[in-house]
Amino acid sequence: DIQMTQSPSSLSASVGDRVTITCRASQSIRTYLNWYQQKPGKAPHLLIYTASNLQSGVPSRFGGSGSGTDFTLTISSLQPEDFATYYCQQSYSTPYTFGQGTKLEI
Amino acid sequence: QVQLQESGPGLVKPSQTLSLTCTVSGGSISSGGHYWSWIRQHPGKGLEWIAYIYDTGSTSYNPSLKSRVSLSIDTSKNQVSLTLSSVTAADTAVYFCARVVHLGDYPDVWGQGTKVTVSS
Repeated sequence: DIQMTQSPSSLSASVGDRVTITCRASQSIRTYLNWYQQKPGKAPHLLIYTASNLQSGVPSRFGGSGSGTDFTLTISSLQPEDFATYYCQQSYSTPYTFGQGTKLEI
Repeated sequence: QVQLQESGPGLVKPSQTLSLTCTVSGGSISSGGHYWSWIRQHPGKGLEWIAYIYDTGSTSYNPSLKSRVSLSIDTSKNQVSLTLSSVTAADTAVYFCARVVHLGDYPDVWGQGTKVTVSS
């Protein structure tokens, strides 16, 4: 299985901050990397697909980059509704696997 | 707009079989360009991909669960079903169904999830 490692596991930030979350794959996954936001008691919500493509309806302050084994999710200016847990997920090969999550706190 | 709704028992006894159904509304389960997946989340933990199924019935299972899990699809009812046999407390989780975009293999629409507890 491909292991996905996110860092940091938790992050404290303030409204207006620029935040970067990283995700590293245990082998190359080309650009088959997706990012999700999850709020307590809710299903994950797709933000970015295939590394850098913004899902329809997602604010442009969210951005993704990377290829191969190293990827980043950037939030350019944090808004109050962005405080949540973020997951990366590889869809290069089955079993599809997720990172352990990054909890973004105020 | 496509919506997914999971349903099933909230409580299952150890060693029994868990059966869950995902009902798709707002679109056809056979519309093309998509397939259907189950993903679970243990309490307070991360996400674990369980399996997926195409409208043709073709499947792929997580090897960690392959011996116990089975997916089926009923295109006439717009439903995908999951069965998980010989459950233990380790199967206690929220179970999500999701629509997966074939080009890129990313889940773009998720159900709200259904909580399943395994306990006697």
